[in-house]
Amino acid sequence: EAQVTQNPRYLITVTGKKLTVTCSQNMNHEYMSWYRQDPGLGLRQIYYSMNVEVTDKGDVPEGYKVSRKEKRNFPLILESPSPNQTSLYFCASSLDLYQETQYFGPGTRLLVL
Amino acid sequence: TQLLEQSPQFLSIQEGENLTVYCNSSSVFSSLQWYRQEPGEGPVLLVTVVTGGEVKKLKRLTFQFGDARKDSSLHITAAQPGDTGLYLCAGGRSGAGSYQLTFGKGTKLSVIP
Repeated sequence: EAQVTQNPRYLITVTGKKLTVTCSQNMNHEYMSWYRQDPGLGLRQIYYSMNVEVTDKGDVPEGYKVSRKEKRNFPLILESPSPNQTSLYFCASSLDLYQETQYFGPGTRLLVL
Repeated sequence: TQLLEQSPQFLSIQEGENLTVYCNSSSVFSSLQWYRQEPGEGPVLLVTVVTGGEVKKLKRLTFQFGDARKDSSLHITAAQPGDTGLYLCAGGRSGAGSYQLTFGKGTKLSVIP
C-alpha cells in the first residue's frame, strides 16, 4: 500500500532533550516536506527536500533540522526542543517538484514540557 | 501576514443545505489545491486547479479558480454529515528550482443531521 509513515505518532518530552521524528514513503517520491499545524495558524512548512541531499528552509525552520540521505526517508530533528515547538507535525511527499499532489502522513503529536 | 485567507473559519449547517467556502490572496499562484482533513489524520487532496477560470466538479463539490489565479472557491451542494471536516486551500508557487505550498488556516465545517 502506497503510504507515508511517521513515527512516533505521539511524543511527550522535556525541554532540551534531543528528539527525532522519522518519516518514510514507499512511493519513490522525490519531493518531501515537513509541516507543523497549530490552532489558529494552520499548516506551515518547516523544511522541504527536492531530492537526496537537497534540502531547503520553509516558512518556519528555526529550531529544526532535517536530512535526506536516502530517497525514502526524511527525518525531522529537534536538537533542543522548547515548549513553543509543541504542535502537530505532518510529513508529506510528492512524485517530483512539478507533481503537485502531496500525500500526507498521519501526523505526530508532540508535547514539550 | 497570512498569504491565503479562508472564509468562513467555522461553518455549521443543516444536512441538505448548500455552502461556499472562499480562499483569497493578493498573490498569484501557479496552482490552487483543496484538501480535506479529518480529526487525527493528515490532509487528503480533493482537487488541483491550475488554469485561471477553471471549474472542476467532484460529485457534489464544485471548485473554481479565479481568472487571475489569486482566489478560489469550494461549493458543496446538499451537504451531508460525511462532509464534516476541515477544508484547507493551498497555493503552489514554483521558483528557480524550488517549489512551496502555502496553506490557508482552514474552514471547519460541521453538517448536522
